[in-house]
Amino acid sequence: DAGVIQSPRHEVTEMGQEVTLRCKPISGHDYLFWYRQTMMRGLELLIYFNNNVPIDDSGMPEDRFSAKMPNASFSTLKIQPSEPRDSAVYFCASSFAGGHEQFFGPGTRLTVL
Amino acid sequence: AQRVTQPEKLLSVFKGAPVELKCNYSYSGSPELFWYVQYSRQRLQLLLRHISRESIKGFTADLNKGETSFHLKKPFAQEEDSAMYYCALRLGGGSQGNLIFGKGTKLSVKP
Repeated sequence: DAGVIQSPRHEVTEMGQEVTLRCKPISGHDYLFWYRQTMMRGLELLIYFNNNVPIDDSGMPEDRFSAKMPNASFSTLKIQPSEPRDSAVYFCASSFAGGHEQFFGPGTRLTVL
Repeated sequence: AQRVTQPEKLLSVFKGAPVELKCNYSYSGSPELFWYVQYSRQRLQLLLRHISRESIKGFTADLNKGETSFHLKKPFAQEEDSAMYYCALRLGGGSQGNLIFGKGTKLSVKP
């Protein structure tokens, strides 16, 4: 198993552009998490899904951020329009019900110029 | 508010020296504590959790509810222990999602 897969690994874009980050969780996992990591704020939970349904999106910073999980094997995090302060590393993680460990992807490093 | 504090951004020790990475939490309920580790060019991964009370790679951590601490310890550090270490708190109620991370401590073990 390749583990959690994220794409792209690096993204450089200009302010105002739409950015879409992608995640494929581990097969069989029914929880999916999106985190953002910055120097100032550390690792923050943005949103998580259970069985493709968003459960808690209280960490989503503002309406420019949206996340979807159309099926059990795919999720997207979209930023529209992007701003320089969105520059960060975005992690996706997955886990299964009853498990205690979250399995992380390699992250997407986003730079908004 | 629930919070995890790791007071040291960087901890540097020599090989063979004891190491302690500090973690304090703020939570009035029944906490579940974890240590995650990220080695260079690798993914963030679980190191250990307080419920299992096990030693992983020589590391141990004891939950002290009185001091609201979950410090990570190893008696003899090795160079391969150099990594970023994150303490994390999962709130009670069995919810998978409520995992709160500290800002991390970078451990550097010198030869």
